[in-house]
Amino acid sequence: ELKVEQNPLFLSMQEGKNYTIYCNYSTTSDRLYWYRQDPGKSLESLFVLLSNGAVKQEGRLMASLDTKARLSTLHITAAVHDLSATYFCAVQTGDMRFGAGTRLTVKP
Amino acid sequence: DAGITQSPRHKVTETGTPVTLRCHQTENHRYMYWYRQDPGHGLRLIHYSYGVKDTDKGEVSDGYSVSRSKTEDFLLTLESATSSQTSVYFCAISEGGPHEKLFFGSGTQLSVL
Repeated sequence: ELKVEQNPLFLSMQEGKNYTIYCNYSTTSDRLYWYRQDPGKSLESLFVLLSNGAVKQEGRLMASLDTKARLSTLHITAAVHDLSATYFCAVQTGDMRFGAGTRLTVKP
Repeated sequence: DAGITQSPRHKVTETGTPVTLRCHQTENHRYMYWYRQDPGHGLRLIHYSYGVKDTDKGEVSDGYSVSRSKTEDFLLTLESATSSQTSVYFCAISEGGPHEKLFFGSGTQLSVL
């Protein structure tokens, strides 16, 4: 059974700092997604990573995929308060399985 | 927002009562999904549909049924609600293939007392 593990589950950062969220999964997959959820809101897609070595960047967020290690990372550069949200990775093998989410809080 | 509307947005019900949640989409998407979101579990797939009258079970389907009699509507029914079904329920569609990039509705907060 596919397991998707994110860490950390909670992350409190200072503005301007860098950090990385990790997503490990247990079976082969070539398609991985990152979603963002603001408190009390729905989820929106951030990135789709389709192949080994794929890297996507938007603003202060950069996602990468290593299918051999079954690992994706979401790197945050020079965090700002607006990035405070919960971030989910999701792996598609047949259906889509989500990690538990990382609740990010960026403090001034 | 992919034209997805969920109703109701909030519902409180009692254990043992039937509950139906509705997902309505306006853009003729073929693939539709119901997920539940619980702390510590992320989102888990309940049921999905590949088209009218074509549905299948997801990871956590026990206690739930679905129907899709029209392309635009996907209904989720809790036949006899239990407290363990207290959750936030999200409907989603995918524009590409099945189980590809998802677009979510606004969610329904369901409390079973």
